[in-house]
Amino acid sequence: GIQVEQSPPDLILQEGANSTLRCNFSDSVNNLQWFHQNPWGQLINLFYIPSGTKQNGRLSATTVATERYSLLYISSSQTTDSGVYFCAVLNTGNQFYFGTGTSLTVIP
Amino acid sequence: NAGVTQTPKFQVLKTGQSMTLQCAQDMNHEYMSWYRQDPGMGLRLIHYSVGAGITDQGEVPNGYNVSRSTTEDFPLRLLSAAPSQTSVYFCASSYLGNQPQHFGDGTRLSIL
Repeated sequence: GIQVEQSPPDLILQEGANSTLRCNFSDSVNNLQWFHQNPWGQLINLFYIPSGTKQNGRLSATTVATERYSLLYISSSQTTDSGVYFCAVLNTGNQFYFGTGTSLTVIP
Repeated sequence: NAGVTQTPKFQVLKTGQSMTLQCAQDMNHEYMSWYRQDPGMGLRLIHYSVGAGITDQGEVPNGYNVSRSTTEDFPLRLLSAAPSQTSVYFCASSYLGNQPQHFGDGTRLSIL
């Protein structure tokens, strides 16, 4: 299967700070998505981004498929951004592989 | 629009018991999948389906069965529960062709 590595594993930020989360993957993929798991355990799709750059409010993501990595940017962080951020990739066989996540804590 | 609905939300079983976790979606999605989430390990794919009548194994299929008789429903069956299957289970669905996945709220399963 595809290896998906996320860094850093843990991150603590002061409210208002910016951060960059990274996702590296070991093989070509058809699909890459970023998810936020909130403190109640719900998984929310943030971006579907197999390549290129997308922005949604304070969040943006960039995937460089040829170099097998993706970045998630969080600007002006808020306490509601706390939770775990997962990267997931889809191989040619329709199987999704998740990274182990980045746990983000934003303190006021 | 209900999205992806999982039932039950919580369940406690004894070793050796069987049960079915239900998953239903109302978005006419072709692709449905089941994951388990264990502490520190992210989500791992158990089984998936690309359409009614078609299922396939994911990364960790042992001990689980699935069927897909309709587009809407994708139940996950534990035939003989084991303590190693204690986990949080998520169902997800999407359109085929590289589309974003939508997740249910999860089922927290404990096996004693």
